[in-house]
Amino acid sequence: QKEVEQNSGPLSVPEGAIASLNCTYSDRGSQSFFWYRQYSGKSPELIMSIYSNGDKEDGRFTAQLNKASQYVSLLIRDSQPSDSATYLCAANPGANNLFFGTGTRLTVIP
Amino acid sequence: SQTIHQWPATLVQPVGSPLSLECTVEGTSNPNLYWYRQAAGRGLQLLFYSVGIGQISSEVPQNLSASRPQDRQFILSSKKLLLSDSGFYLCAWGQTSYEQYFGPGTRLTVT
Repeated sequence: QKEVEQNSGPLSVPEGAIASLNCTYSDRGSQSFFWYRQYSGKSPELIMSIYSNGDKEDGRFTAQLNKASQYVSLLIRDSQPSDSATYLCAANPGANNLFFGTGTRLTVIP
Repeated sequence: SQTIHQWPATLVQPVGSPLSLECTVEGTSNPNLYWYRQAAGRGLQLLFYSVGIGQISSEVPQNLSASRPQDRQFILSSKKLLLSDSGFYLCAWGQTSYEQYFGPGTRLTVT
């Protein structure tokens, strides 16, 4: 079964801190991984994609992938109240589909 | 740039009534198209996906159906809605990079 698991949270961090969001996946054949941000009542927005082991940085966001451990993470540096949202992790097992986790709700406290 | 549209944005329908939700994509050709449902407090459930006109794959057996009459148009339908069909319906498009981009969604309440 192709599962993606995330801690549902809520995760609370103070403004300016680093938020760390984690995700594990069960299908070792997964090659592509994505992080989406979903504000309450809105649709998911793609914020990061990662395909190779290691880190990928984009502004305040860093995605980390460890295929041996089947682990993906998203770090948000200098967290802002506007980062408060639910973050969805997704994995692609090589077909046309993505498998999504249920999301981690992040609250950044001013 | 690519744009994805969905309508209506909000819909309230009685049990047993029909449903038609529409999704269109602009700025790309031959996209993969997807319908997801997100129930309150739940994850994304893939309902249908399509890799081309008239090609529909169903992921979950239920009273919903999908059609792709044109390259960039994807329609979700039901002949008779159930209470359990309530949720946030999201259309997405993607291509070979496997990234998917979501439309604004339709919030459906079945009463």
